[in-house]
Amino acid sequence: SSELTQDPSVSVALGRTVRITCQGDSLRKYYASWYLQKPGQAPILVIYGKNNRPSGIPDRFSGSSSGNTASLTITGAQAEDEADYYCNSRDNSGNHRLFGGGTKLTVL
Amino acid sequence: QVKLQESGPGLVKPSGTLSLTCSVSGGSISKSVWWNWVRQPPGKGLEWLGEIAHNGRTNYNPSLQSRVTISVDKSKNQFSLKLASVTAADTAMYYCARAPDATVTLIPFFDLWGQGILVTVSS
Repeated sequence: SSELTQDPSVSVALGRTVRITCQGDSLRKYYASWYLQKPGQAPILVIYGKNNRPSGIPDRFSGSSSGNTASLTITGAQAEDEADYYCNSRDNSGNHRLFGGGTKLTVL
Repeated sequence: QVKLQESGPGLVKPSGTLSLTCSVSGGSISKSVWWNWVRQPPGKGLEWLGEIAHNGRTNYNPSLQSRVTISVDKSKNQFSLKLASVTAADTAMYYCARAPDATVTLIPFFDLWGQGILVTVSS
């Protein structure tokens, strides 16, 4: 498969937990990585692999995966988490990279 | 600390060739990583364009393969993007990004991004 699917928008109340999902056949073989992007800024890696966070990423961000679905969970969402979130992985051939369409997270 | 910096013309004429360079500072471009180009049209999502490995192997987005060329200049610690026959649809923010090799781990990800350069296709 050559596609990763994300919900276009998700909202969460301040301090609550939100899960953003990414579906794709290639996720049965490859892990997803997750990026946060705020307006006018380059994407920032927040989760990669099973559940790895780069240095400086708060531990309220976590990742998980089951079958063809990868998930990014924010536990205790903060106002500064309002952003676009993109998942990324490779296709089944391993020769091409894919991005999901992005999920706009609104913190209410 | 490794940094990436895109450079090139911010305006390209329709049917022309878009040419961008990504300079790698603070580290060697010859490491076992993949050097990538990603773009983002205004108000839209991220699109992967292609990548080049330290050994010169390339992979391209199938939808753009006929128009995209990525190359590396080890002497200058740079890699480049050429996109031919551009139209207004190629107007976008263009990012260069580094990705560790995931052949064994099966964990593909971009660990470093440039700040991006806006390229407008217009006459």
